[in-house]
Amino acid sequence: ETGVTQSPTHLIKTRGQQVTLRCSSQSGHNTVSWYQQALGQGPQFIFQYYREEENGRGNFPPRFSGLQFPNYSSELNVNALELDDSALYLCASSSPTGEGNIQYFGAGTRLSVL
Amino acid sequence: DQQVKQNSPSLSVQEGRISILNCDYTNSMFDYFLWYKKYPAEGPTFLISISSIKDKNEDGRFTVFLNKSAKHLSLHIVPSQPGDSAVYFCAASVGLFGNEKLTFGTGTRLTIIP
Repeated sequence: ETGVTQSPTHLIKTRGQQVTLRCSSQSGHNTVSWYQQALGQGPQFIFQYYREEENGRGNFPPRFSGLQFPNYSSELNVNALELDDSALYLCASSSPTGEGNIQYFGAGTRLSVL
Repeated sequence: DQQVKQNSPSLSVQEGRISILNCDYTNSMFDYFLWYKKYPAEGPTFLISISSIKDKNEDGRFTVFLNKSAKHLSLHIVPSQPGDSAVYFCAASVGLFGNEKLTFGTGTRLTIIP
């Protein structure tokens, strides 16, 4: 069984640029959530996609956007990058069936904005 | 507004002894609580969870206790092993089913001393 994979692992961008991060969900999972983890903080929920539709959004501006594809993989796009966007971006996949919210995480993409 | 709080940034425990990690929350709507463990350069790994209808859940060396009236939960690890050294995150969500967002604490770094 393949787990959650994210690419790239590291990325360096300059302020004002745009970035796309990618995530492949675990086999059998149709829900993908994205989180931002700043240094010394816990992950913060950005948004979630279920069956290619946004299914909940955290307190992030519209320049953070996403997509989910028919194979349930997902992209996170960030426009007009700011220095504060430097963080570890985590993707988690899950299945909506069953008890609890067991989300399984990838290793993340570390984004540095200079 | 930190709805999930882990007030101890770090904890050191002798190998073989009990490790107790604590977590407090403020949102009474939370129904489900999870603990994740995170090693450097890896994503968070699910450890154990508990729903609000229970006050204890056990899985091998790991036990989670929930005190709803105090809005407090704790993770007990007995006996502690060197491989348990990691950052532990407490997380909470609204709803027992489905995949609503997870709200994380800031984490506790556990170090097991051989």
